[in-house]
Amino acid sequence: EPEVTQTPSHQVTQMGQEVILRCVPISNHLYFYWYRQILGQKVEFLVSFYNNEISEKSEIFDDQFSVERPDGSNFTLKIRSTKLEDSAMYFCASSGSWTSGYLGETQYFGPGTRLLVL
Amino acid sequence: SQQGEEDPQALSIQEGENATMNCSYKTSINNLQWYRQNSGRGLVHLILIRSNEREKHSGRLRVTLDTSKKSSSLLITASRAADTASYFCATQLTGANSKLTFGKGITLSVRP
Repeated sequence: EPEVTQTPSHQVTQMGQEVILRCVPISNHLYFYWYRQILGQKVEFLVSFYNNEISEKSEIFDDQFSVERPDGSNFTLKIRSTKLEDSAMYFCASSGSWTSGYLGETQYFGPGTRLLVL
Repeated sequence: SQQGEEDPQALSIQEGENATMNCSYKTSINNLQWYRQNSGRGLVHLILIRSNEREKHSGRLRVTLDTSKKSSSLLITASRAADTASYFCATQLTGANSKLTFGKGITLSVRP
């Protein structure tokens, strides 16, 4: 069964460093998302992406964050200058294909990247 | 205000019993989805119910939606130890490509 994959599974970085989190969405999906979950808290939406542009972003997704789909398979989240409060589990998700009913509202999540900023 | 709030926050039951988890939300929605998360792992989609549906079944799962009360319930019948996980409801205000708004989750423990 197709699944969303994410790399790395864990990343430790120093405050102020840049990190790139990578995701490979399900191959025929059209919509891509990043969410994060700070330890013990609820999952929060960061950004959605469709047709090579951002569809929606949250207040969390400030100028330090960017997303890119550099090729036909990868979807990346970059944090330019990490802060301590960026420590969280980051989830990539994808949804929707031309063959799925209602364009597919179900979002399929990857296993996450646990980011620790020291 | 929270869009999705589950209750109870924690639930402990014996294997074989049924588990009922509730979710309330604030605004009109297109659909509501339930996800499971095993400790420290990813989110697994369980079931989706649309705003024009009242009840759906999938295996041992039964979900109901009451749009007049802005609430949903997830019933897991004949629970197993492997059902031990956190369960989240998530609402989607419009259709595809719109964000999911998650509740804080319910921790379910199923004792063998």
